[in-house]
Amino acid sequence: AQSVTQLGSHVSVSEGALVLLRCNYSSSVPPYLFWYVQYPNQGLQLLLKYTSAATLVKGINGFEAEFKKSETSFHLTKPSAHMSDAAEYFCAVSEPGGGNKLTFGTGTQLKVEL
Amino acid sequence: DGGITQSPKYLFRKEGQNVTLSCEQNLNHDAMYWYRQDPGQGLRLIYYSQIVNDFQKGDIAEGYSVSREKKESFPLTVTSAQKNPTAFYLCASSILVAGDPPLSGYTFGSGTRLTVV
Repeated sequence: AQSVTQLGSHVSVSEGALVLLRCNYSSSVPPYLFWYVQYPNQGLQLLLKYTSAATLVKGINGFEAEFKKSETSFHLTKPSAHMSDAAEYFCAVSEPGGGNKLTFGTGTQLKVEL
Repeated sequence: DGGITQSPKYLFRKEGQNVTLSCEQNLNHDAMYWYRQDPGQGLRLIYYSQIVNDFQKGDIAEGYSVSREKKESFPLTVTSAQKNPTAFYLCASSILVAGDPPLSGYTFGSGTRLTVV
């Protein structure tokens, strides 16, 4: 069965600092992995996705994530945080043959301080 | 522009009442999903449908019902049997490729916040 674990329900960084949001997955087969962002009272927007091509994936708004099979991780990073990055971020996993379903992590709330 | 429309954005329900949340998409997606979001619990799958007139229970289907009479529409009814219905409800859709995950991910609506008063 597929699952994801997001370490840290709340992360706080200073504006201009590195953003690192952690995601570890569990999957019986090579998975597809996704990061989504959610602003207050809105739906989720796709940031980036890993679908078995390049292990370093670049997304929108300067975010990127690296798929590391040996560590079963797909951490999200951004070199320099901006105030507009404050939001909740969700990691999600889907397995081939898993019925087209995404399983989401519990989310990480990112706070950006001046 | 193509997208998913959820309505209403805010909904108030008295205890014992059934309410129906609307979800419409014009993306020509085959698959549609309903998730419930509670603080600290992420998104939990309620129901999903991959074809008209067919749907499957997700992880927390008790107290909910759905229908899929048209490809574009997937309404969710929160029944009086749902003991704790106050939550943020998200509808999503995706392209369906047999046996494979949705390569493009899901497209989400903007959500409906349901409050029991």
